[in-house]
Amino acid sequence: EPEVTQTPSHQVTQMGQEVILRCVPISNHLYFYWYRQILGQKVEFLVSFYNNEISEKSEIFDDQFSVERPDGSNFTLKIRSTKLEDSAMYFCASSGGQGSTNEKLFFGSGTQLSVL
Amino acid sequence: LAKTTQPISMDSYEGQEVNITCSHNNIATNDYITWYQQFPSQGPRFIIQGYKTKVTNEVASLFIPADRKSSTLSLPRVSLSDTAVYYCLEAGENTGFQKLVFGTGTRLLVSP
Repeated sequence: EPEVTQTPSHQVTQMGQEVILRCVPISNHLYFYWYRQILGQKVEFLVSFYNNEISEKSEIFDDQFSVERPDGSNFTLKIRSTKLEDSAMYFCASSGGQGSTNEKLFFGSGTQLSVL
Repeated sequence: LAKTTQPISMDSYEGQEVNITCSHNNIATNDYITWYQQFPSQGPRFIIQGYKTKVTNEVASLFIPADRKSSTLSLPRVSLSDTAVYYCLEAGENTGFQKLVFGTGTRLLVSP
């Protein structure tokens, strides 16, 4: 089965530093997403991306966050100035985007971000 | 805010059938019911999805009554590797099929 690939698997950074989390979605998918899960808490939606623009975002996704599809294969999440509370597992996901209402999302294995 | 209600945890033994029930008291007419599985330190994985009646795939069965106020995920003959958190979700055009709202899920522990 095709997979969503995320790198790195672990990222440690200092508070205030910028981080970029990388994802390679499934090749023929059209919708891309970022979710996060703080340790012991729920999986939370951050943003969805389609046709080179954000289609929806949550209140968590503030000005510190940005997403980009710099080429035909990668999808990145940038946090400009990390805070302690940004420490979480960040999951990238993609879906086929055929426009049907019962889309299935494929998630990557995540990047564990630790902000010190 | 999660829209579904499910038990926090369940225990089972290898080889048993496990049924996890979820409440969908305010499900929108056009929403589908979807179940995901999550192992520790991994992303959620789609298991099964349905609108009503019964759906079966190679992994599980999903039972949805006519009123769609609940759904039951049935895992036949579980093994130790089925130990995971199971989430029921509602998704569709009205709620945004892309913006999945995860609850706390049901933590299933399968013992030998």
